[in-house]
Amino acid sequence: EPEVTQTPSHQVTQMGQEVILRCVPISNHLYFYWYRQILGQKVEFLVSFYNNEISEKSEIFDDQFSVERPDGSNFTLKIRSTKLEDSAMYFCASSWDRGSDNEQFFGPGTRLTVL
Amino acid sequence: AQSVSQHNHHVILSEAASLELGCNYSYGGTVNLFWYVQYPGQHLQLLLKYFSGDPLVKGIKGFEAEFIKSKFSFNLRKPSVQWSDTAEYFCAVNAAGNTGKLIFGQGTTLQVKP
Repeated sequence: EPEVTQTPSHQVTQMGQEVILRCVPISNHLYFYWYRQILGQKVEFLVSFYNNEISEKSEIFDDQFSVERPDGSNFTLKIRSTKLEDSAMYFCASSWDRGSDNEQFFGPGTRLTVL
Repeated sequence: AQSVSQHNHHVILSEAASLELGCNYSYGGTVNLFWYVQYPGQHLQLLLKYFSGDPLVKGIKGFEAEFIKSKFSFNLRKPSVQWSDTAEYFCAVNAAGNTGKLIFGQGTTLQVKP
């Protein structure tokens, strides 16, 4: 069964460093998402992406964040200058079609620890 | 703004006990409703979803949920839990006709004792 994959599974970085979290969505999916979950808190929407542009972003997704689909398979989340509060589990998701009635398939997550 | 509230943070049951996890949402328009499950060390997986029609929906592994519009609720049920149901359960909603952004509840950790 096709699945969303994410690398690395755990990333440790120093405050102020740039990190890139990578995701490989399911191959025929067209819509891509990033969510995050700070320890003990809710899973929060960050951004959705379609046709090489951002469809929607949350207040969390400020200028320090960017997303890119550099080739036909990868979908990346970049944090330019990490802060302590960016420590969280980051989940990538993809869906076949746009819209609220399409199932999103989630990856296993990347645990980001900012020291 | 949309929000989702799950009543129970941590539930402990013995095998064969019945399960009901509460979920309430806040949103003025039409919503789609989801329950996701995350087994230890695994991905978030869709258990079941409600878009329209019969408010009682059945999902995988014997789970079901009932949408009660008047109560803004979408409670998850299972008549008889198994040890393998030990997992974290997330209720989520999105606005019908929107981009698909999911709003999650805080999750409920279910521990089933053998």
